[in-house]
Amino acid sequence: AQSVTQPDIHITVSEGASLELRCNYSYGATPYLFWYVQSPGQGLQLLLKYFSGDTLVQGIKGFEAEFKRSQSSFNLRKPSVHWSDAAEYFCAVGANNNDMRFGAGTRLTVKP
Amino acid sequence: GAGVSQSPSNKVTEKGKDVELRCDPISGHTALYWYRQSLGQGLEFLIYFQGNSAPDKSGLPSDRFSAERTGGSVSTLTIQRTQQEDSAVYLCASSLERAPGETQYFGPGTRLLVL
Repeated sequence: AQSVTQPDIHITVSEGASLELRCNYSYGATPYLFWYVQSPGQGLQLLLKYFSGDTLVQGIKGFEAEFKRSQSSFNLRKPSVHWSDAAEYFCAVGANNNDMRFGAGTRLTVKP
Repeated sequence: GAGVSQSPSNKVTEKGKDVELRCDPISGHTALYWYRQSLGQGLEFLIYFQGNSAPDKSGLPSDRFSAERTGGSVSTLTIQRTQQEDSAVYLCASSLERAPGETQYFGPGTRLLVL
């Protein structure tokens, strides 16, 4: 079965700084990859997803992610973080059998 | 349009009591999922419904947990004889269908606290 690892439990960045959240997956075939964001007290909102084609995916709120098959990674990036980006971020991997597995999440704190 | 809604938003109960959590999926979505999110953990898959097919219960942690989906729409997750370790946020999601890569849309969750 597929699995996903988010190595960083908690990351703190200054407002205006760049951000990269790491995600590594394990799956034997080409995966379906997702990033979701969860603001406090809210459900998860889809930021972006990758199926095939261009390995650099643009999402909402200025986020992007790059699929790197050689590294089994799908890291999320943003060039300039805003205070409102403080939230929990989840990477997820979907398989051809329709199963989806979520990572444990990375909590982002934004310093003024 | 309306998103996925869940009720109650918060539930406090005593150990040993039964609780029912409700999920209203997006209209027209045939697939419905329940997840559990414990503190510091990712999302743990519990159960999934697709149309009128038999649900996939492979993620239910014990026989105290059950779920049903009436009329292919609203779903209820029931936890019997609650235990303190059941304390978590229970998230419901729906999607148009269950297909590889189909986007799941999440509700705000029900925060359950078992005293």
